[in-house]
Amino acid sequence: EAGVVQSPRYKIIEKKQPVAFWCNPISGHNTLYWYRQNLGQGPELLIRYENEEAVDDSQLPKDRFSAERLKGVDSTLKIQPAELGDSAVYLCASSFTEYGYTFGSGTRLTVV
Amino acid sequence: GIQVEQSPPDLILQEGANSTLRCNFSDSVNNLQWFHQNPWGQLINLFYIPSGTKQNGRLSATTVATERYSLLYISSSQTTDSGVYFCTIYGQNFVFGPGTRLSVLP
Repeated sequence: EAGVVQSPRYKIIEKKQPVAFWCNPISGHNTLYWYRQNLGQGPELLIRYENEEAVDDSQLPKDRFSAERLKGVDSTLKIQPAELGDSAVYLCASSFTEYGYTFGSGTRLTVV
Repeated sequence: GIQVEQSPPDLILQEGANSTLRCNFSDSVNNLQWFHQNPWGQLINLFYIPSGTKQNGRLSATTVATERYSLLYISSSQTTDSGVYFCTIYGQNFVFGPGTRLSVLP
C-alpha cells in the first residue's frame, strides 16, 4: 500500500511569509495527525483529526497556524505569517483509530 | 499531562552487541508504540505494544502496563540500527518521549 505522502519535502521562506504543507494519508485511515519536530527533540503533536473533525488541537498556535482536512482525507497545515522559530520538520501521520500509526517523510521548513 | 521518560539518552555500541532501551510513563495508557527515526529522519513504526511482549527479528519489546514501563531489546546490533528510538504513548493525548540516540559502530 502507498504510505503517507507529504509535500513539499523542503521549503525555505522569509519570515512573515505564508507557507502551506500538504498530507495525503493512507487510504482508509480515519485518524490524521500533524506533528512538529524541532532539532534534537521528539515530535510534538499539533493537531489530530478523526475523519473531518479536529479532536485535539490544544498544542496548535492558533494565532498563526491553521489546518483543515477536506472530506476526511487530505489535509493542509498553514502558517501565516511564519516566524524564525517555526523552522522545524513538520510530520504528518495517519492511523486506523489510534492503533499503529504511520508517518510520512516530513517537510523541513527553514524560515530566514 | 502524562510524562514520558526514556533512558539512556545516548548509547554507543559496537556492532554485534545487545542493548536495552527503557521507557517510563507516569500514568495509565491505552496505546504505546516504539519508533525508530533513521539518520534521514524517517520514523518507522517498530511495535504497537500497550502490554505484553512482541518480537520481530532481532528486536523485541515488553510493556508492563501495571508498572508503567516498556523495554525495547535490540540483539546483535547492526550499523543500520543507528538513529533515535522513541516511545510514544496515548493516554489522554499523544506524547512522544525524548528519545534514545543509538550509534552502532562497525
